[in-house]
Amino acid sequence: ETGVTQTPRHLVMGMTNKKSLKCEQHLGHNAMYWYKQSAKKPLELMFVYSLEERVENNSVPSRFSPECPNSSHLFLHLHTLQPEDSALYLCASSQEWGAYGYTFGSGTRLTVV
Amino acid sequence: QQQVKQSPQSLIVQKGGISIINCAYENTAFDYFPWYQQFPGKGPALLIAIRPDVSEKKEGRFTISFNKSAKQFSLHIMDSQPGDSATYFCAAKGSGGNEKLTFGTGTRLTIIP
Repeated sequence: ETGVTQTPRHLVMGMTNKKSLKCEQHLGHNAMYWYKQSAKKPLELMFVYSLEERVENNSVPSRFSPECPNSSHLFLHLHTLQPEDSALYLCASSQEWGAYGYTFGSGTRLTVV
Repeated sequence: QQQVKQSPQSLIVQKGGISIINCAYENTAFDYFPWYQQFPGKGPALLIAIRPDVSEKKEGRFTISFNKSAKQFSLHIMDSQPGDSATYFCAAKGSGGNEKLTFGTGTRLTIIP
């Protein structure tokens, strides 16, 4: 499978649940990103990994915890979320940190109830 | 602090017309200005990009015009088609150690017959 694949596509979770979002790329890219997309807001960069090391953490609440076990996989672990965390979470990758061309996945639509 | 301002929020254009989306930026340390196109249910996809030392770049029906002195750039879609109906995001890539992409808020474009 080519491109960036995100699972699950949809997720409904309670505020006390723990869940994880998964992202996988087989493009040979060295940088991977998590973005949050909310209506009428710019895409918000959450985390950046370059060569499996975190290089950017945009003041994201600790209830979001990223993990990059290898250059092809990226996870976002979620716990004790708030309703305002409901959004589309997008994973992206690029050849390197500093490139402008990102390949995005289709996202995970998260609803916190 | 939003560093890339995009307008309009939504745009309706007749088939065959020209669609124009505008963006303005504040930070002069940006070194690339890409545009992304997003269809419903999909992640954004890179459409076209320009460097600040170039005033115009054309790829097929899509053209970026860049005005460095005014810190503005725009996307022109010539001969707009119903298949162009999507949300368009402008972006700016930082440089000098701050390599992240800063996105605009998006423009929802609808092409009517």
